[in-house]
Amino acid sequence: EAAVTQSPRSKVAVTGGKVTLSCHQTNNHDYMYWYRQDTGHGLRLIHYSYVADSTEKGDIPDGYKASRPSQENFSLILELASLSQTAVYFCASSETGYEQYFGPGTRLTVL
Amino acid sequence: GEQVEQRPPHLSVREGDSAVITCTYTDPNSYYFFWYKQEPGASLQLLMKVFSSTEINEGQGFTVLLNKKDKRLSLNLTAAHPGDSAAYFCAVSPFITGNTGKLIFGLGTTLQVQP
Repeated sequence: EAAVTQSPRSKVAVTGGKVTLSCHQTNNHDYMYWYRQDTGHGLRLIHYSYVADSTEKGDIPDGYKASRPSQENFSLILELASLSQTAVYFCASSETGYEQYFGPGTRLTVL
Repeated sequence: GEQVEQRPPHLSVREGDSAVITCTYTDPNSYYFFWYKQEPGASLQLLMKVFSSTEINEGQGFTVLLNKKDKRLSLNLTAAHPGDSAAYFCAVSPFITGNTGKLIFGLGTTLQVQP
């Protein structure tokens, strides 16, 4: 049974539109992360959180917001989607803040 | 900040051959190291974790070596088979006060094992 789930699994959005990606974990982990994966760039950290109702900026936070309303849920919000945000987005959770477990990913295409 | 270089970006071997992927890092205080496997179209699966007190870890069909002196982490797949075809990523946890839990990933190695 998958412990980290993401929705939607794929999405096509229009430039300038709002996009919300959702992540849910049943690991009872305190830490949650959002990464984007692009060819040639590996995985880059966008936002993370180590407690509900609090989020932190990662390495590439510009153009993204995050929300952690509960321990189990972590959302990534693109208020004004742009072409450059076309990528695969992964959510992960961690108990210790080191060993991370990833969700299945969301493929986002911005047209 | 911490930088991780992973080599080679692409690797093609024949079934039964060994395959070696290497990562070098810059922060001598880094102390948690991970290898992830990503099959095509799939998520990242934790393959092995290595801590600073461990030099060699063996898994099913692979060996991980940590050389702290040279700041090098390697993944050696012994007797590779087609099911090993995937992208492999190393990840390093730099020492950051307050434990933010950040991992720095290498750019990945795409391994193809030919029958």
